[in-house]
Parts: sequence; C-alpha cells; structure tokens
Amino acid sequence: KNEVEQSPQNLTAQEGEFITINCSYSVGISALHWLQQHPGGGIVSLFMLSSGKKKHGRLIATINIQEKHSSLHITASHPRDSAVYICAVRKVDSNYQLIWGAGTKLIIKP
Amino acid sequence: DAMVIQNPRYQVTQFGKPVTLSCSQTLNHNVMYWYQQKSSQAPKLLFHYYDKDFNNEADTPDNFQSRRPNTSFCFLDIRSPGLGDAAMYLCATSSRGGWSGYTFGSGTRLTVV
Repeated sequence: KNEVEQSPQNLTAQEGEFITINCSYSVGISALHWLQQHPGGGIVSLFMLSSGKKKHGRLIATINIQEKHSSLHITASHPRDSAVYICAVRKVDSNYQLIWGAGTKLIIKP
Repeated sequence: DAMVIQNPRYQVTQFGKPVTLSCSQTLNHNVMYWYQQKSSQAPKLLFHYYDKDFNNEADTPDNFQSRRPNTSFCFLDIRSPGLGDAAMYLCATSSRGGWSGYTFGSGTRLTVV
C-alpha cells in the first residue's frame, strides 16, 4: 500500500464548480505539500502545511493531523486550473525525501 | 523574481553520448535537488546537495553524476544515456531542508535517440 494516497485519480468538472481533491497518508509527517504540474511543465509549489488551513486566492488547503488527511479545494474553477495536482509529504524521520502521491489529473471544461 | 532556472528546456541526445543539464537559482537556497520524472509517474529523487555535501539516493544509477560548483549552480551529468533515461529532469531548491517549502524549475525534457 502506498504511503500517500490521492483521490480521485482523474476529475473532470465544468467551469465554476467547486473542486475537492483528497490526500491520505499512513506515516508520521513533518509537513505536507500540495503541488501543481501542467502538462509537460515544471512543478509549482502551492502550499506547505503542518496544521490547520491555508488559503491563496481561489485555492484552500486543509490538513487534519489526527486523521492523517488533507484536502485541496478550488473555488470557482476555471479551465486554466486544469493540471495535475500532487500531494507529497515529508516523513518525520527524513530531512529531505518527499513521499509523493500519484497525482490527480483535473480537467475543467469551459 | 527569485527563481530556479533550468537549461535547456528540451534536450535531444544520442544514445551513449554524454549530456549535461544545468540548474541555477537566485534564491540562495542551500539545498538543491535533482529529480527524474517519467511519463505519468511521480518524480524520483536522484540526489541532493546540502551546501557542498553530496547525497546520493541508494538506487540512483552510477550513470548519473552531479556537480555543484557554487551555491547558485548545479549540474546533472548523464555519462552514457540509454533509451530508459528519457524523462523530464526537475531541479528543485529549498532552504534548511525544506522547512520553508520547495521551489521547482520548469524542467528539462530529455530525449535519447
């Protein structure tokens, strides 16, 4: 079983819809990252969380340490939000290694 | 803007011909990473530098080497590229081991012919 699981694997929605992507992990972590990757492109770091909730524009990320679960929400989704969203965690016993989820491929249709 | 820059964006090399990918940063981060990402897979850490200290992942092939001549630059050398080395190579940086997050470059897509 993977240490970091994301769901759904693929998500297609209409422009304007509220989007939720979930991430569950089974290890002790020091931080959880949400990252975005456009097709053929580099990776953009969206959030780093160790507790609570963060908001940036239309993006909101939450984490529940006790339940080992995080969610990424996109409000008023737009076609330019189409990308792969990746959850990655840093384990408490690792200084540098990130454990990556498989990613969620999001397509927003106009 | 402070950033991580990878050159070239696309690289085509011949089977067995050495190739070097470069990464530069203006963030003054002390840690630099090289990742390999194959199609539809998560990035795989090849190695990282903490300042001048080189850290190789156990399963990184000997065919892959790295150099960091100064804080700003880091190079990935592939001594004898094989068809299986075709991938996106991502450079990333962090300060103090990632406690302030990671910054990624746009990647170099390597094709081996």
